Amino acid sequence: DIQMTQSPSTLSAFVGDRVTITCRASQNIGSYLNWYQQKPGKAPNLLIYSASSLHSGVPSRFSGSGSGTDFTLTISSLRPEDFATYYCQQSYNSPRTFGQGTRVETK
Amino acid sequence: QVELQQQGAGLLTPSETLSLTCVVSRGSFNAYYWTWIRQPPGKGLEWIGEIDYSGSINYNPSLKGRVTISVEASKKQFSLNLTSVTAAETGVYFCARGKKGGYSGYGTALFFDYWGLGTQVTVSS
Repeated sequence: DIQMTQSPSTLSAFVGDRVTITCRASQNIGSYLNWYQQKPGKAPNLLIYSASSLHSGVPSRFSGSGSGTDFTLTISSLRPEDFATYYCQQSYNSPRTFGQGTRVETK
Repeated sequence: QVELQQQGAGLLTPSETLSLTCVVSRGSFNAYYWTWIRQPPGKGLEWIGEIDYSGSINYNPSLKGRVTISVEASKKQFSLNLTSVTAAETGVYFCARGKKGGYSGYGTALFFDYWGLGTQVTVSS
């Protein structure tokens, strides 16, 4: 199985901060990497697919980059509704695997 | 707007079979992979398996033959059966729509663009 490792596990930030979350794959996955946001008690929401494509309706302050084994999710200016947990997911092969999550909390 | 409505029992005793169904409304059924994902309390997401409208299936090998996913395309619904559940399988079970994001050479790349609300499943004696 491809292991996905996110860092940090928890991130403390202020509204307005630029936030970067990293996801590393245990092998080359090309650009087959997706990002999700999950709020407590809710289903995850797709943010970014294929490493850098913004899903419909997602604000442009979210962006993704990377290829191969190293990927980043960036929030250019954190808003109050962005405090949540973020997951990466590889779609290169089966079984589909997720990172352990990065919780973004208010500083 | 696509909706995925989950149905099924949420309280089980150990060794019972978990059975959930997901009904898809307001969207095409045939162009996607239909997926089950679970989340233990306070933990991350685990992919269980997927099926397309024709019945082509992929399971997580970690479930060791206990899982069955089936589809009724005419009713736009798909189902999950997981036998011999244990307390460690307590958590929220989600159904989701997998949209094709290319072909990696090792299979169809999917991203999950619509999700059900989730079903809380508790396994306890």
